[in-house]
Amino acid sequence: DVQMTQSPSTLSASVGDRVTITCRASQSISTWLAWYQQKPGKAPKVLIYKASSLESGVPSRFSGRGFGTEFTLTIDSLQPDDFATYYCQDYSDYSRTFGQGTKVEIK
Amino acid sequence: QVQLVESGGGVVQPGRSLRLSCVASGFTVSSYAMHWVRQAPGKGLEWVAALSYGGINEHYAESVRGRFTISRDTSKNTLYLQMNSLRAEDTAVYYCARALPDYWGQGTLVTVSS
Repeated sequence: DVQMTQSPSTLSASVGDRVTITCRASQSISTWLAWYQQKPGKAPKVLIYKASSLESGVPSRFSGRGFGTEFTLTIDSLQPDDFATYYCQDYSDYSRTFGQGTKVEIK
Repeated sequence: QVQLVESGGGVVQPGRSLRLSCVASGFTVSSYAMHWVRQAPGKGLEWVAALSYGGINEHYAESVRGRFTISRDTSKNTLYLQMNSLRAEDTAVYYCARALPDYWGQGTLVTVSS
């Protein structure tokens, strides 16, 4: 089974900062990677799919890159609404494997 | 629009069973792969089970294989998760989700406690 490892686990940042979250797969998953944002008490929301495709309605300050085993999610100019937990997810087969999450906190 | 509504959660004793339901609207469950994903209190997301869009293939996480069964009723456009031999570590919010997942329900809380 594919294992997904995110870093960092927690990230402290200020409004306006550029932040990057990294996700590593234990084996190549091509571009079968999605990123989700989750706020407390809410279901996750998809931001990016196919490693770099922006989901409809998601602000363009969110971007994804990567292929194979190394992926990144970047948020340009962090906004107050962006403080949340972010998860990467492999969908290279019928199962879905999530990273452990990155909590983006206010510095 | 697409909507998923889960129900069936509650408090149950260890070793007992529970069945979760997820009513879909705005699309037909038979046209998509469907998933159950759970989140223990204060923890991350854990994929639980998937049903292929044809309804033929079932896939399970190792932690629930042999105890949980995913199924659907196309006439009711509803996805189910039958959970048997429940354990304390199964305590979580259970979400049903479509495909990627691109759409998620609001979740239903299952608490396994004596």
